[in-house]
Amino acid sequence: EIVLTQSPATLSLSPGERATLSCRASQSVGRYVAWYQQKPGQAPRLLIHDASNRATGVPARFSGSGSGTDFALTISSLEPEDFAVYYCQQRSDWPPYSFGQGTKLE
Amino acid sequence: EVQLVESGGGLVQPGGSLRLSCAASGFTFSSYSMNWVRQAPGKGLEWVSYISSTGRTTYYADSVKGRITISRDNAKNSLYLQVNSLTVEDTAVYYCARANGYSSSRLDNWGQGTLVTVSS
Repeated sequence: EIVLTQSPATLSLSPGERATLSCRASQSVGRYVAWYQQKPGQAPRLLIHDASNRATGVPARFSGSGSGTDFALTISSLEPEDFAVYYCQQRSDWPPYSFGQGTKLE
Repeated sequence: EVQLVESGGGLVQPGGSLRLSCAASGFTFSSYSMNWVRQAPGKGLEWVSYISSTGRTTYYADSVKGRITISRDNAKNSLYLQVNSLTVEDTAVYYCARANGYSSSRLDNWGQGTLVTVSS
């Protein structure tokens, strides 16, 4: 079973700063990693798919990188609306999908 | 515009059952695999179940296997989740999510969720 571990659990930054969130897989998942943003009381929103592709409508300040077991989500210059919880997700044979435990950006 | 609208949640006693529904619109429902993902209060996201576009292939998380059945009616553009033998650990917001991309690798559209509360 593939397990995703996100770090840090909480990241404290200010608007305008750069944020880097990490996601590590227990075994290789190729490039099948997606990143989601979730704000309180809302459903998750797809930000990045296939490790580095921005979803439709996602601002260019969001970027993804990595392959194999190590992945990162970078927000180049934080806007007030970016403070939320971020999850990585993998797609593999089993389980078909799994999520990291989340990073709270505050 | 893609829309997914869940319904069927509510308060249920331990040992009870519920059938959740997800009404899809704005896309060709029969062309996409679908998933249920849940989130317990204050916790992270947990994948629950997957169904292929035709309904022939289904997968379940180990935590719910044997108690949950996913199904779909492509003529009605609807996804379902039958949940039996509910325990307090099943208390969560249940989201339906569309799978997209190569090997259905990403969940690109989500409903607003329906809350299931298991309590006596």
